[in-house]
Amino acid sequence: KAGVTQTPRYLIKTRGQQVTLSCSPISGHRSVSWYQQTPGQGLQFLFEYFSETQRNKGNFPGRFSGRQFSNSRSEMNVSTLELGDSALYLCASSLAGEGASGYTFGSGTRLTVV
Amino acid sequence: GESVGLHLPTLSVQEGDNSIINCAYSNSASDYFIWYKQESGKGPQFIIDIRSNMDKRQGQRVTVLLNKTVKHLSLQIAATQPGDSAVYFCAENVPPSRRGANNLFFGTGTRLTVIP
Repeated sequence: KAGVTQTPRYLIKTRGQQVTLSCSPISGHRSVSWYQQTPGQGLQFLFEYFSETQRNKGNFPGRFSGRQFSNSRSEMNVSTLELGDSALYLCASSLAGEGASGYTFGSGTRLTVV
Repeated sequence: GESVGLHLPTLSVQEGDNSIINCAYSNSASDYFIWYKQESGKGPQFIIDIRSNMDKRQGQRVTVLLNKTVKHLSLQIAATQPGDSAVYFCAENVPPSRRGANNLFFGTGTRLTVIP
């Protein structure tokens, strides 16, 4: 079966711009979680969506937002980009958010802010 | 966030030797722990998990040990192979405030290098 697909794989943006990242979960998976990965902080939880509703949110500023569509695909948006937003953004899907052992991660989108 | 840390950021082992990767966690309420492997250019891949009511769990060539007294977790890889070279993360799950919510906190990772 196809895995979790994240697009694009790489992005370079300028400070102040906004960016939208996409995540297509495994077919049948309804939960999508987003993480930010940086060398210094490791993986930090951004938010989780289930059935088009944000079910949980991490400690990130309001510049980080997301949504989920009826086909379970999810997007996250970062507005007014800052240099510190440079990171690998990972999404993980699961059937129903039943627990992290049910997670399958995508390969991530590498965002560089210059 | 929760404090989940690793004792060593890098670990080099000879092929065929056993590897031990350590992890400390801080929340005594954490009920579930997971080890992930992340290879270059890929997302984290689930290796093995353990619930807080267990002390040890074995998989194929991997064993996870949990010491709740000192809040310590370790991953043992037997007969380490070049394909095991990757970054390994531990993660702890804090019981969610509501059903279905996820509170998974990751450590920063240990890079394992296997020397042929």
